[in-house]
Amino acid sequence: EVQLLQSGGDLVQPGGSLRLSCAASGFTFTNYAMGWVRQVPGKGLEWVSGISGDAKNTYFSDSVKGRFTISRDNYNYMVYLQMNSLRAEDTAIYYCVSYRYSSSSDFYYGMDIWGQGTTVTVSS
Amino acid sequence: EIVLTQSPGTLSLSPGERATLSCRASQNVRSSYLAWYQQKPGQAPRLLIYGTSSRATGIPDRFSGSGSGTDFSLTISRLEPEDFAVYYCQQYGSSRTFGQGTKVEMK
Repeated sequence: EVQLLQSGGDLVQPGGSLRLSCAASGFTFTNYAMGWVRQVPGKGLEWVSGISGDAKNTYFSDSVKGRFTISRDNYNYMVYLQMNSLRAEDTAIYYCVSYRYSSSSDFYYGMDIWGQGTTVTVSS
Repeated sequence: EIVLTQSPGTLSLSPGERATLSCRASQNVRSSYLAWYQQKPGQAPRLLIYGTSSRATGIPDRFSGSGSGTDFSLTISRLEPEDFAVYYCQQYGSSRTFGQGTKVEMK
């Protein structure tokens, strides 16, 4: 079965750190870029970060740049989001996503697999 | 950063009616970079359309996408009860942004 299984959400104090994990299964992991999208309950979606299939390229939204890092383990089909210097505005449901982009055809195939979501609450 | 503005914010329609959702970009977006998602309460979003007009696996043909440049749209030809949800457009170019969403609610 194709799935992304997330873990790691928690309540953390402002300024604290947290690591989210995402375990992929059922597809050829290295063929896919991976990323994180977050959503404040009742609000819209915000793209947070992405990493290419070979882990050579990473991308971050301006709102998290310099505070969050993304990494992947292509042997164990895992992707991680390390969140440091957390702020109240980082409070959200975080979704792990997989997506494909073909550089040869300059074509984006969309975020076709989503994890179940994990809640991060930043509060004192 | 490319800003995507979706309209209307809410669309009130009855089953069987046609829904047309708009997504307007602040700058040109490559057609190959534009996707649409559906989200139901308590669920993760689901990919509907990629490359402006290609349906994702398992998506019924009542869903169609079109557009170019700065104006894109998602059309649901005949609303089924399960189509009432929130819909988001997203672009893969600058900053990979999402629109703010359009809620399709039952009249």
